[in-house]
Amino acid sequence: NAGVTQTPKFRVLKTGQSMTLLCAQDMNHEYMYWYRQDPGMGLRLIHYSVGEGTTAKGEVPDGYNVSRLKKQNFLLGLESAAPSQTSVYFCASSTPYEQYFGPGTRLTVT
Amino acid sequence: QQQVKQSPQSLIVQKGGISIINCAYENTAFDYFPWYQQFPGKGPALLIAIRPDVSEKKEGRFTISFNKSAKQFSLHIMDSQPGDSATYFCASPEPGTYKYIFGTGTRLKVLA
Repeated sequence: NAGVTQTPKFRVLKTGQSMTLLCAQDMNHEYMYWYRQDPGMGLRLIHYSVGEGTTAKGEVPDGYNVSRLKKQNFLLGLESAAPSQTSVYFCASSTPYEQYFGPGTRLTVT
Repeated sequence: QQQVKQSPQSLIVQKGGISIINCAYENTAFDYFPWYQQFPGKGPALLIAIRPDVSEKKEGRFTISFNKSAKQFSLHIMDSQPGDSATYFCASPEPGTYKYIFGTGTRLKVLA
């Protein structure tokens, strides 16, 4: 039982490059979330999903896209990376009350 | 739109002391109040949680106090240890939206 896993753990991108972050959960949760964490800003919600095939925008969705083709996976895409997207990205899966976080992906955009 | 206000932003406590972190919420429909603990380089993890039908919940050295009339809930860490040094987030699931509202976090440092 791995819980929530994220791939990759670290990544450096150049401005304008694209990439996809993968989140996988084995707890059969319906709800999944992508957050970014920046110093002094806490956790900010990017996008979320309440079930397979559904996605919705969070607090800071611009520059990101997501897909939930399978219940256990939630992908976060950056089509054209910008330095402002340098951050630590956390995926979470959730019951209606409790969130379970992955270990994070540290992304640097130069 | 911040619905959970957390204080202080940072806290330094001597080993053996009591650490107290506070959160104020606005939405009276909130019905679950968890605290998350995050160590450097790790994701947040659920530490302790309370429902509004009780005023206090204790798990080991960690206690949540809940004041419904003041719309506040607090985390108390008794006999604080250096291993408690972490960032703590208060939170609440926002009813009807599937979103989770987090406070901005408190960085706790416990001095040996």
